[in-house]
Amino acid sequence: DVVMTQSPLSLPVTLGQPASISCRSSQSLVSSDGTTYLNWYQFRPGQSPRRLIYKVSNRDSGVPDRFSGSGSGTDFTLKISRVEAEDVGVYHCMQGTHWPGTFGQGTKVEVK
Amino acid sequence: QVQLQESGPGLVKPSETLSLTCAVSGYSISSGYYWGWVRQSPEKGLEWMGSIHHGGSTYYIPSLKSRLTISMDTSKNQYSLKLSSVTAADTATYYCARDQGYFDIDNWGQGTLVTVSS
Repeated sequence: DVVMTQSPLSLPVTLGQPASISCRSSQSLVSSDGTTYLNWYQFRPGQSPRRLIYKVSNRDSGVPDRFSGSGSGTDFTLKISRVEAEDVGVYHCMQGTHWPGTFGQGTKVEVK
Repeated sequence: QVQLQESGPGLVKPSETLSLTCAVSGYSISSGYYWGWVRQSPEKGLEWMGSIHHGGSTYYIPSLKSRLTISMDTSKNQYSLKLSSVTAADTATYYCARDQGYFDIDNWGQGTLVTVSS
C-alpha cells in the first residue's frame, strides 16, 4: 500500500498567522489518466469529517479561500493563509490513485 | 444535501459480529457512487475498509476480506457493514462515507465508536 507521511504531526499556530502541512507519498500519485487523486480532509470533534481540497488543488464549495492545496508527484502541501479559531482540528491527506486509498497520520492544528 | 448517519451497538464482545448501518438521506444510493466504510483507531490511524458500488459490486481490503461484508438495502436507502470474529484490535470509530470513485470521499457520517470488550 502507498504510505502517506505528513509533517508536522502537531502544529501550534497563532491566530491570524499562516500554517502549512506537508504530505508525502511513497509512490507518485499521478494516475494513468494523468489525474492526481490527492485530497485533504478536516476532522473536528463532534462533526463529520469534511473534504477541503480534492485532486490536489480544487477547493470544495463553502471552504474559505484561506485554504489552498498544491503539489505534484509525491509532494503535497495544504496551506492556511491566516489561521482562524474554527480551523483548529486534525487534517489528513488521502491518496486515491493506488488501490486501496490510504491516509496520512494526521496533523493536529491547535492555537498557541 | 447528502447526509450519512451511522448506527449500531457501541459495545461488541470478542469473537462476535460487529454490525453497523449507514442511513443516507438526500441521495438515492442506487443512483450512483460507491458507499464505503472507513475506521479510525489510535493504533492504525484512518483505514479504508471497503465499499459497495451502487450496482452491487463490493471491494474489501485484503486484511479484512475474510471477515467483512458490506451490503445495501435500496428500499431503506441504507447500507451495512458486518465484521465477524472481532477482537480488541477492531475497536475504532467507524465512519460511513460516499466515494465518487478513486477514493474521492466527498461526504462522511459523524462516526460511531465501537468498543470490542467482554
